[in-house]
Amino acid sequence: NAGVTQTPKFRILKIGQSMTLQCAQDMNHNYMYWYRQDPGMGLKLIYYSVGAGITDKGEVPNGYNVSRSTTEDFPLRLELAAPSQTSVYFCASSYRFNQPQHFGDGTRLSIL
Amino acid sequence: QKEVEQDPGPLSVPEGAIVSLNCTYSNSAFQYFMWYRQYSRKGPELLMYTYSSGNKEDGRFTAQVDKSSKYISLFIRDSQPSDSATYLCAMSAGYTGTASKLTFGTGTRLQVTL
Repeated sequence: NAGVTQTPKFRILKIGQSMTLQCAQDMNHNYMYWYRQDPGMGLKLIYYSVGAGITDKGEVPNGYNVSRSTTEDFPLRLELAAPSQTSVYFCASSYRFNQPQHFGDGTRLSIL
Repeated sequence: QKEVEQDPGPLSVPEGAIVSLNCTYSNSAFQYFMWYRQYSRKGPELLMYTYSSGNKEDGRFTAQVDKSSKYISLFIRDSQPSDSATYLCAMSAGYTGTASKLTFGTGTRLQVTL
């Protein structure tokens, strides 16, 4: 019953560093999503994917990149970390766009 | 105006109380309605999923949708301290394609006290 697995759980980065947040799902969902959640701001969609090789921007894509080479994995890349990217990042997957999404437990990222 | 509005709370109730959590929305195309529960330092987990108007009950939880008023509610009966969490509503249209992505409320923080 793994569902959606995110690694790492916590990370501290220095300004200008880069890193990749990992996300894997074992439910054979074609649709996968990356959100950031800031206090009082709700979930903001960063990028999404409708299948291997197909990705598109969400509401707040600047400063991030994604790739989707397999159905299972959907990594999120931060190239030049900035303090504004301090947040909790959630990966989710679903069967279709309008169906319930299943979430991982998040990656807490601090950029100092 | 946000597409989905949700009172952020916090809402504090004594154990055993009936809790009412609400969302309003502006997009009349929304047909699928969900409630998620999010514990501290955890991801949102699906609590209730309903289609169109009406009520759905699952144990102590009842989800209600009033499409004419663009208003959805989640009722929790006999609230327990373990219900203390943030509750997010989410909804989507019945189209296919990107227009039917989920739109989330910002969440209501609930605290159930002993």
